[in-house]
Amino acid sequence: AQSVTQLGSHVSVSEGALVLLRCNYSSSVPPYLFWYVQYPNQGLQLLLKYTSAATLVKGINGFEAEFKKSETSFHLTKPSAHMSDAAEYFCAVPLVRNNRLAFGKGNQVVVIP
Amino acid sequence: ETGVTQTPRHLVMGMTNKKSLKCEQHLGHNAMYWYKQSAKKPLELMFVYSLEERVENNSVPSRFSPECPNSSHLFLHLHTLQPEDSALYLCASSQELQGNYGYTFGSGTRLTVV
Repeated sequence: AQSVTQLGSHVSVSEGALVLLRCNYSSSVPPYLFWYVQYPNQGLQLLLKYTSAATLVKGINGFEAEFKKSETSFHLTKPSAHMSDAAEYFCAVPLVRNNRLAFGKGNQVVVIP
Repeated sequence: ETGVTQTPRHLVMGMTNKKSLKCEQHLGHNAMYWYKQSAKKPLELMFVYSLEERVENNSVPSRFSPECPNSSHLFLHLHTLQPEDSALYLCASSQELQGNYGYTFGSGTRLTVV
């Protein structure tokens, strides 16, 4: 069973428009959730993480994510897209069976001028 | 220098060559990881090390040979590679061998096998 699901490999958004990337996780995972961003030819960089302190988590570059236990979701948003937000975004959760970090398939975000 | 550093950034090698990828972390972390990232494929976890001991090998072909001489350094030795091994190889580290801490990644080595 997949632990984290990201739908839609490519997401196109107009500059200045809302960015919304969806992440749903298996209900059996521990309450730690992460979003990472990967710019071209770079490694993954931590955007934000949820550790049960607050359901709305603010990250770098104006991104935030809201943990919703009832929906088993941790969607990433940014009110106004910038050209520099063009990158690939990964949701990640620790697996119960071995505590390794499991990554979603990623969303490639394209920002249209 | 801080964070996780990978060298070289780019590598082109023939199928009969032997080369090594290097990863160094300056974070005092106890766990280190090798990942393979191919185009249009999910991230693949290859090897996991905890305190210099290999704790996971995810059915990786023997032409990839990891080495962890100490908790700050991780190598991936390559020999007799195939063109399908061309990919971005990412090194990561974490405070402990637990996903709860999250991972810190290097910038990767872009490997092309010709």
